[in-house]
Amino acid sequence: GQQLNQSPQSMFIQEGEDVSMNCTSSSIFNTWLWYKQDPGEGPVLLIALYKAGELTSNGRLTAQFGITRKDSFLNISASIPSDVGIYFCAGNFGNEKLTFGTGTRLTIIP
Amino acid sequence: GAVVSQHPSWVICKSGTSVKIECRSLDFQATTMFWYRQFPKQSLMLMATSNEGSKATYEQGVEKDKFLINHASLTLSTLTVTSAHPEDSSFYICSVPGTSPDTQYFGPGTRLTVL
Repeated sequence: GQQLNQSPQSMFIQEGEDVSMNCTSSSIFNTWLWYKQDPGEGPVLLIALYKAGELTSNGRLTAQFGITRKDSFLNISASIPSDVGIYFCAGNFGNEKLTFGTGTRLTIIP
Repeated sequence: GAVVSQHPSWVICKSGTSVKIECRSLDFQATTMFWYRQFPKQSLMLMATSNEGSKATYEQGVEKDKFLINHASLTLSTLTVTSAHPEDSSFYICSVPGTSPDTQYFGPGTRLTVL
């Protein structure tokens, strides 16, 4: 099935740094979602975006629905150890199904 | 969001045997549930959509006779991996639709290892 391309594939940062990642698609989506997955767990919903240009925050996380509706961005400010994990974007065409991105693995260097 | 449980959390079985995985929606009645498969260091891939009281709809390339789905109630969907082989070893995750449009809430996953 179709996948969304996420960038970067992995990130190694120090605690306290800000993080930016993005997700791009060749198709237009009606909804963009961002999830975080810890090892051995199911993904947890972080943010949902519904309108082109929409900017939504959840604590230190901020996500944006791209104007073209083909991309989305996630920023994490002042990273902390519990931010470690894999971040997935997911898009929805409006048919209940989600298409997941390739994931961005975030590691915090001590 | 919805609370979803899966059982078992992990299972090891011999090649050729069948394994059943349960997905329960604990606080939400779900007419639709979704089953995903995730191989190590890869993304989630939708396998099938489970529909309460009717047949599941499978994604292209997923063998419906191998991955049997039953959605007998509004809170329970089961995935049975029949005649499991080592290549079926994976992390199987279910989800239910969330209250916000287009969202899904995921279970904790079941790790299947086929020897």
